[in-house]
Amino acid sequence: DTGVSQDPRHKITKRGQNVTFRCDPISEHNRLYWYRQTLGQGPEFLTYFQNEAQLEKSRLLSDRFSAERPKGSFSTLEIQRTEQGDSAMYLCASSLGVRGGYTFGSGTRLTVV
Amino acid sequence: DQQVKQNSPSLSVQEGRISILNCDYTNSMFDYFLWYKKYPAEGPTFLISISSIKDKNEDGRFTVFLNKSAKHLSLHIVPSQPGDSAVYFCAATETSGSRLTFGEGTQLTVNP
Repeated sequence: DTGVSQDPRHKITKRGQNVTFRCDPISEHNRLYWYRQTLGQGPEFLTYFQNEAQLEKSRLLSDRFSAERPKGSFSTLEIQRTEQGDSAMYLCASSLGVRGGYTFGSGTRLTVV
Repeated sequence: DQQVKQNSPSLSVQEGRISILNCDYTNSMFDYFLWYKKYPAEGPTFLISISSIKDKNEDGRFTVFLNKSAKHLSLHIVPSQPGDSAVYFCAATETSGSRLTFGEGTQLTVNP
């Protein structure tokens, strides 16, 4: 068990470019979550998957954001036409079952310049 | 609409003393509460949780207290150690849901 892995750890991109982040959850966990954290705030829920099904999306997840979890394993989060307001830490977490006790990854720090 | 609030952005205590971190919530549907610790450049790490059917849960140096009528919970760390210095997040979830709603966090500094 190597925990939750996120790649890349840091990403700097120019405004208007597309970016994609990857998350590899703990292998036996069926639930996978994406959160976003900005400076001075707690993590904010974006979306979650149970196996390959995307069960809930926050209204924070605009049309420029899309997440997938093909085959119920790793997940990707894509942001199209990035804006400076997208600069944040993007956290992935996984869990087995409904209740908390999530295991978080170390996050991907996105900076849009 | 901040459903989970941590009103103290920072707290400083002496090593060996008690640290008390507070959290308030507004959503009466929340019935499970968690505390996470976060070091810089790392993801949050689960510390301790409590169900709404209890008013106290203890794990080593960490104790969480829940006052449902006041919609308030607190995390007690005793004795505090310098390695406890981190940002602490309170989080809550509903029975029917899976998402966690986090507070803003409290930066705890334990001075040697």
